[in-house]
Amino acid sequence: QVQLQDSGPGLVKASETLSLSCNVSGASVSDYYWTWIRQPPGKGLEYIGMITSTETTNYNASLRSRVTVSVDTSKNQFSLKLSSVTAADTAVYYCATAGFCRNGVCYVAASDVWGQGTMVTVSS
Amino acid sequence: EIVLTQSPGTLSLSPGERATLSCRASQSVRSSHLAWYQQRPGQAPRLLFFAASTRATGIPDRFSGSGSGTDFTLTISKLEPEDFAVYYCQQFGRPPRTFGQGTKVEIK
Repeated sequence: QVQLQDSGPGLVKASETLSLSCNVSGASVSDYYWTWIRQPPGKGLEYIGMITSTETTNYNASLRSRVTVSVDTSKNQFSLKLSSVTAADTAVYYCATAGFCRNGVCYVAASDVWGQGTMVTVSS
Repeated sequence: EIVLTQSPGTLSLSPGERATLSCRASQSVRSSHLAWYQQRPGQAPRLLFFAASTRATGIPDRFSGSGSGTDFTLTISKLEPEDFAVYYCQQFGRPPRTFGQGTKVEIK
């Protein structure tokens, strides 16, 4: 059973880089697709980006110039970096599954496993 | 990108009543790539359906999903107290993945 534990600073200064990690347990990070989703206070869910098992990435067009999603197989985790943050980036950030690989074939999938979420506040 | 529009924005109902939530897509979405999530206050979203009408593990059968193409529906046959929450649809077949803006089911 895959479990996710996201971690990172809850406070980031404006213009700096937000960095979050999501530790994977119960599975190899190489056997799944992964995604980051955020939710500003009182608002809906926003897709940030995802990474496949071959480390192909896809990003929300509105964030593409500032976002990087990567995988660290040695630590069995994946990460999010968002640069040049502003108050508009204040949100709860979630990591989640986005697909899986079985017997050499990979499939996109809905997000059935989520991290607990990290509230990140951007301060001026 | 595919835009998902959910309606209504808020649904005010009493326990035991039937809830019908709509999700309309700006382009055709494969049913196998349409998901529904439930989010209770202070919690991460929970997957309800991973292919329009296929319930995720542990989801009670009072929840049902239907639809195809551009129109999808989530129905809760008889609302239980724990069902009052926000519901989101998502398409994950064509990048970028997109969510609807959500429907809040509140107690009348």
